[in-house]
Amino acid sequence: DAGVIQSPRHEVTEMGQEVTLRCKPISGHDYLFWYRQTMMRGLELLIYFNNNVPIDDSGMPEDRFSAKMPNASFSTLKIQPSEPRDSAVYFCASSFLRDTPYFGPGTRLLVL
Amino acid sequence: TQLLEQSPQFLSIQEGENLTVYCNSSSVFSSLQWYRQEPGEGPVLLVTVVTGGEVKKLKRLTFQFGDARKDSSLHITAAQPGDTGLYLCAGDNAGNMLTFGGGTRLMVKP
Repeated sequence: DAGVIQSPRHEVTEMGQEVTLRCKPISGHDYLFWYRQTMMRGLELLIYFNNNVPIDDSGMPEDRFSAKMPNASFSTLKIQPSEPRDSAVYFCASSFLRDTPYFGPGTRLLVL
Repeated sequence: TQLLEQSPQFLSIQEGENLTVYCNSSSVFSSLQWYRQEPGEGPVLLVTVVTGGEVKKLKRLTFQFGDARKDSSLHITAAQPGDTGLYLCAGDNAGNMLTFGGGTRLMVKP
């Protein structure tokens, strides 16, 4: 298995621009998580899905953030408009039931 | 909010030394996990401890879950440069998602 796939691996954009991060979970996994990691706040859960349905989005910082999971093999995290304080590494992870989460390699986002 | 505090935040040691990192909380967890994260990659699970007082060993790494299931420690014997990375603990309270600690960034110098 290829593991969790994220794209792009790096993204540099200017403040105000829309950013879309993509994730392909491990086949057969029914849970998908989006995390954000910064030096100041560590690893934070933004939102998670079960069987493509958003279950808890209480970690989403603002209305500028939105996430979708149109099918079992694809999810997106969108930031619109982006701000410099959104700069972080964004991880997608998936798991079967609520067993061990497998993390992707992350997307390093820099908003100038 | 259930908080997990890890200490120390940073640790730089020479190859061959021993070290212990700690993960503490005021909350009780049904289980606790330890992850290692290398630069440019996502965290990878090392171990899960479930029972209070449980000790698990993974080669030179020894993990212990506190009797009250509120804290945990990771001890590394004879550290190697390959042990360098960010060590994260994460608590699982059944019914909720994982809560991650802030991490301990370890550097082992050859």
